[in-house]
Amino acid sequence: RKEVEQDPGPFNVPEGATVAFNCTYSNSASQSFFWYRQDCRKEPKLLMSVYSSGNEDGRFTAQLNRASQYISLLIRDSKLSDSATYLCAVNTRNSGYALNFGKGTSLLVTP
Amino acid sequence: DVKVTQSSRYLVKRTGEKVFLECVQDMDHENMFWYRQDPGLGLRLIYFSYDVKMKEKGDIPEGYSVSREKKERFSLILESASTNQTSMYLCASSFSPGVSGNTIYFGEGSWLTVV
Repeated sequence: RKEVEQDPGPFNVPEGATVAFNCTYSNSASQSFFWYRQDCRKEPKLLMSVYSSGNEDGRFTAQLNRASQYISLLIRDSKLSDSATYLCAVNTRNSGYALNFGKGTSLLVTP
Repeated sequence: DVKVTQSSRYLVKRTGEKVFLECVQDMDHENMFWYRQDPGLGLRLIYFSYDVKMKEKGDIPEGYSVSREKKERFSLILESASTNQTSMYLCASSFSPGVSGNTIYFGEGSWLTVV
């Protein structure tokens, strides 16, 4: 079983829609959680960290559920520019300081 | 801003060649990483280093080696390139946990084709 799993999508949504992505992780010792955004043929860039209490950054909300071992990303009022692949990433102590990434969820926002 | 620089963006190499991929970061990060990314397989960790001259194997180290002689520089070496090493290679760096939550910052990637 892969350590970090995501629905690959693609998610096709109209502008203005709300879309949610989920990500599950298998290692209960995981400590740090992140969402990255990756545009086509570009490097991943940090979108936001995910904190236990949940956190929000503008139209983006991240949640962590340690009991069920999943993290989520909610995007409200989708923009065309949100079209990208969203990667969740998890760190565990026994992997050193590296992050384990999901394969990513593809989002396409259409006019 | 954090800057992770991969000097070679696009390379074409022949099978059996020795290939060096260089990465430099300018933020005094302790940790550096090499990942490869392939369609359908996602990002996979090859090697990482948490200090000068220190290295740890990641999930797919076979066929690769690394060198970290200076804190800011982390090199990936393909001793004898093979076609199944055709991929996008991403270098990354981070502070140790406890500082900035060990967010990882990536370079722009090196696209390697082995023919």
